[in-house]
Amino acid sequence: AQSVTQLGSHVSVSEGALVLLRCNYSSSVPPYLFWYVQYPNQGLQLLLKYTTGATLVKGINGFEAEFKKSETSFHLTKPSAHMSDAAEYFCAVSGSGNQFYFGTGTSLTVIP
Amino acid sequence: DTGVSQDPRHKITKRGQNVTFRCDPISEHNRLYWYRQTLGQGPEFLTYFQNEAQLEKSRLLSDRFSAERPKGSFSTLEIQRTEQGDSAMYLCASSGETVYGYTFGSGTRLTVV
Repeated sequence: AQSVTQLGSHVSVSEGALVLLRCNYSSSVPPYLFWYVQYPNQGLQLLLKYTTGATLVKGINGFEAEFKKSETSFHLTKPSAHMSDAAEYFCAVSGSGNQFYFGTGTSLTVIP
Repeated sequence: DTGVSQDPRHKITKRGQNVTFRCDPISEHNRLYWYRQTLGQGPEFLTYFQNEAQLEKSRLLSDRFSAERPKGSFSTLEIQRTEQGDSAMYLCASSGETVYGYTFGSGTRLTVV
């Protein structure tokens, strides 16, 4: 069975500070992992994904995530937060049929 | 092809009424998925199709819900006898055999009053 846990439903950072959003997963098969961002009243936008290969994955808008199998983690980071990064972020793991299992989300607030 | 299309974007219905949503996937994608997202939560998997075959249904999909993909192209999700708890965003996604190119639609927001 696949599942995702996002630690911290709300994270606040100052503009220019490091962003770290945590995601731990459980998977019975080699996981494919994803981070999505959702702005208010909008759909899901893919930030980045890990399927195979390099464990450090770079995505859009300066975000990156590192797959750590030993820690079953896929934390999302960005070196310097921007006001436009304020949004809801979702981590997801895919199942054997490519259905996605999402975490409950982390709301990121950026303080000017 | 401009992506996954969902219709309508918004639906307000009275409790007890039936509603139907439509999803048009990316044309070359053979897999189609339905998810439900309630306020403040992540999307929850409901069901998926490979071509016209419905291969998996979540236990969240009560007997009031039915999904079809009759010709392996577009899909419909029907909710019968709607309840206030059905108020949510219903998201559709499509993909090929792998997750590469997995694409979500913009969703249908259902409000049951």
